[in-house]
Amino acid sequence: GNSVTQMEGPVTLSEEAFLTINCTYTATGYPSLFWYVQYPGEGLQLLLKATKADDKGSNKGFEATYRKETTSFHLEKGSVQVSDSAVYFCALSEGGGATNKLIFGTGTLLAVQP
Amino acid sequence: GAGVSQSPSNKVTEKGKDVELRCDPISGHTALYWYRQSLGQGLEFLIYFQGNSAPDKSGLPSDRFSAERTGGSVSTLTIQRTQQEDSAVYLCASSLRRILTEAFFGQGTRLTVV
Repeated sequence: GNSVTQMEGPVTLSEEAFLTINCTYTATGYPSLFWYVQYPGEGLQLLLKATKADDKGSNKGFEATYRKETTSFHLEKGSVQVSDSAVYFCALSEGGGATNKLIFGTGTLLAVQP
Repeated sequence: GAGVSQSPSNKVTEKGKDVELRCDPISGHTALYWYRQSLGQGLEFLIYFQGNSAPDKSGLPSDRFSAERTGGSVSTLTIQRTQQEDSAVYLCASSLRRILTEAFFGQGTRLTVV
C-alpha cells in the first residue's frame, strides 16, 4: 500500500542554519504531497503542498519540490528561526474511488537553539 | 465556528469503560476524518466521512471502535470497553470537498486509559 517515510528526529540546529528534512513516498498513481507542522500545544496545520510532479510548494520560507523520479518531497529552509521549532509531518493524499485520506509519516521533531 | 472543534480536550477513563469523542467540523465542509496519534508514531487513519456516509472505515482498529456523523456536521467517535492501548490523541479533520485541497485539523482529544 501507499506509505510515507521521513527522517527520524530529533533534528537540532542553531538559529540561521540550513534545514533539510527528508521525505520519500511509495504510491500508486499520482498523489498530492503535503507538509504539515505541529507547533507546541497546537493542532496540525498545513505548511505547504504540491499536486503534481515538479511542482514546488512554498510557505514561510520553507520549500519542497515534488520529485517523481526519486519519489521524494524533501523540506528545506535556508535559515531557521527558534520559532520554527515544531514537529513536521510529510503526507500524501490517497484518493480515488471510495477512499480519500492523508497518509502521514511518523513526524520529525525540529529543535532550533538560539 | 472558525475552526474544527473537538471535545473534550482531555479524557481520563478507567479500563473497560466506554468513551465518546466529539468533533465539530468547519461549517460547510463535507469531508470529515478521524486520526489517532500515538506517542512516537505518526498519524494513523481511522475513518473518513463524506456527508453522513463512511465510505472508508478501514482504519478502525477493532469492533470496539465506531463512529457516526449526523446532519453532515457533527461526528462522534465511540470506543467501547477501553483498553490501555487505546491511549492516544484522537484528531479530527475536515475538508471542503476532497482532501487534495486542504484538511483542517482540530486540537485533538487526549485519551488516557488507566
